Amino acid sequence: DTEVTQTPKHLVMGMTNKKSLKCEQHMGHRAMYWYKQKAKKPPELMFVYSYEKLSINESVPSRFSPECPNSSLLNLHLHALQPEDSALYLCASSPGLASPDEQFFGPGTRLTVL
Amino acid sequence: GQNIDQPTEMTATEGAIVQINCTYQTSGFNGLFWYQQHAGEAPTFLSYNVLDGLEEKGRFSSFLSRSKGYSYLLLKELQMKDSASYLCAVRDDLRGGATNKLIFGTGTLLAVQP
Repeated sequence: DTEVTQTPKHLVMGMTNKKSLKCEQHMGHRAMYWYKQKAKKPPELMFVYSYEKLSINESVPSRFSPECPNSSLLNLHLHALQPEDSALYLCASSPGLASPDEQFFGPGTRLTVL
Repeated sequence: GQNIDQPTEMTATEGAIVQINCTYQTSGFNGLFWYQQHAGEAPTFLSYNVLDGLEEKGRFSSFLSRSKGYSYLLLKELQMKDSASYLCAVRDDLRGGATNKLIFGTGTLLAVQP
């Protein structure tokens, strides 16, 4: 299984809602990532987890809360989002953080905040 | 600061060769990746360069010159399915350890015409 899966594919939420994005991989990878991608822009790193510990937080607002319950799962909890947070949220994984590990990307969750 | 530049759009003809350039100025450098991204889909890995020179992989080749902060992706025998965005990404381990942080370029949208 060389796939990263993400659910849901699409999500529409209001600014007062609480929702979660889920990411799963069964490749035995120990590093997992969240990226945000706005239309016609490149992905921007949000968070990196290594061995289930948060390794990088790219100064992301606290309304985004990541969680890594085990080595196969990565969640992104959303609360009190703004319309400008509407974007494609991509999850990725890699064997570790050491070079030269390519990152495998999931298909993304397209989020719309009303 | 971090700066990775690519042409915004390119057009080429089926069966031809196209070269997509990427120039970068980043605080750290530990390798350069090329990813392909079809509209609405996840980025998929194409190539990786960490040393100067050319890496060839079937119809795709990638070149790196670290002294010039320059890379290119060469696509041969273009096919219609090669129409996609091509993302150049620099691996930055600035924080003194392995972080596998990828900084993506602006992306090049390639249109292959019959």
